[in-house]
Parts: sequence; C-alpha cells; structure tokens
Amino acid sequence: AQKITQTQPGMFVQEKEAVTLDCTYDTSDPSYGLFWYKQPSSGEMIFLIYQGSYDQQNATEGRYSLNFQKARKSANLVISASQLGDSAMYFCAMRGPHFGNEKLTFGTGTRLTIIP
Amino acid sequence: DADVTQTPRNRITKTGKRIMLECSQTKGHDRMYWYRQDPGLGLRLIYYSFDVKDINKGEISDGYSVSRQAQAKFSLSLESAIPNQTALYFCATRAGGGSYNEQFFGPGTRLTVL
Repeated sequence: AQKITQTQPGMFVQEKEAVTLDCTYDTSDPSYGLFWYKQPSSGEMIFLIYQGSYDQQNATEGRYSLNFQKARKSANLVISASQLGDSAMYFCAMRGPHFGNEKLTFGTGTRLTIIP
Repeated sequence: DADVTQTPRNRITKTGKRIMLECSQTKGHDRMYWYRQDPGLGLRLIYYSFDVKDINKGEISDGYSVSRQAQAKFSLSLESAIPNQTALYFCATRAGGGSYNEQFFGPGTRLTVL
C-alpha cells in the first residue's frame, strides 16, 4: 500500500526566508509520481510541482523546488524567499499503479504561516 | 471563468436526504474524479471516470454514486445522507496519457449533514 507522511503539522517562517516542508513516502512500486498542492484558506487545491520516480533531476517551478531523495523516499518541498501569500496548507501526494494509476494518495498536510 | 466548477459551494442537509453535487469542467479533460477531505485525513478518492462509459470506484465509494452525463460533467450523489458524510468534497480533472499530468481541482463543496 502507498503512504505519504508529513510530520510537520504546522510551521511558522519569517517572510523572505526559505522554508522546507517535509514529505516521506512508502511504496513498493518502481513507477510513481509525487505532487505538491497548496490549499489556501479559501479552500481550493492548487498544483505546485511534480516529480516522477524516474526523473534524474529535481523538479523546479519558479520559487518552488522539490528535493527528491529516492533512496530515502523523501520528496521535500522548498519554497525560496517566502511571501505572505504562501501562508496555506500544503499537501504532498503520490500517484502509483493503484486504482488504474488514477488515485492520488495524500498526506495530512502542513500548515505554513509566514510572519511579516 | 474557472476551469472546474462545483455547485453548490455550500450545502446543509438532514440525515436521510438525497443530495447531488455537480461538477463541470471546460478543460477538455477525459478523466474526472471525486474526493472528500476530512480534517486530519487529507483527501480520499471516492470515484473516478476515464470517460462517459467508464466509471470506477475509489477507496471510499460506499454510500455514494456518480453519473458522468457528458465529458464535461460528473455528478456525485449521496442517496441517503448521514452525518459522517459531512466533509469538503472536491471534483478534479486530468488529461489522459502521462502519469506526470496533474489533477486540477474545483473550488470544493462544503457539505454538512445534520
């Protein structure tokens, strides 16, 4: 079975500092995808970044980067130069070959608060 | 206009009532999904659909049914609502093909069953 673990229920970070949100995963499947989503207080889920299990390089999208350490089964999200608008819940998710490769398994999330 | 819309955005109902949540998308995606979000549990998959004629159960389908009326429309029904179905419900879509394609989520429907 697939499992995502996010061990940081909440984090407080000073504005303009970098922040790392932890995510570890558990799967026995060689092929999988890892995703990060942001959920602001308004409730919608916003896709941030994707990393495939066979990708050789860490994914980057603007201020977001994914620190992918396959041997350790970790996929930490790094946000550089944090902004007040980054305050939100952040979810790590994994897609693998279950339910027709369609199911996203989500972690329980990390609530990030940026302090001015 | 939003690419994935859900109606209603909020609904309060009573135990035993039949409820339908609707989802429409303008992204032209074949694949559509329904999830529920409970506090502390993340999102869990209820149903998913590859196209109008291909509908599949997710991990928590008991007590729910779905209908894919068209490529762009996917509705979720609670035949007889119960209080533990109180949750935030999300519809999502995805382009077919590569596993790298992300799911795009609607704004969510907050359902309360009294």
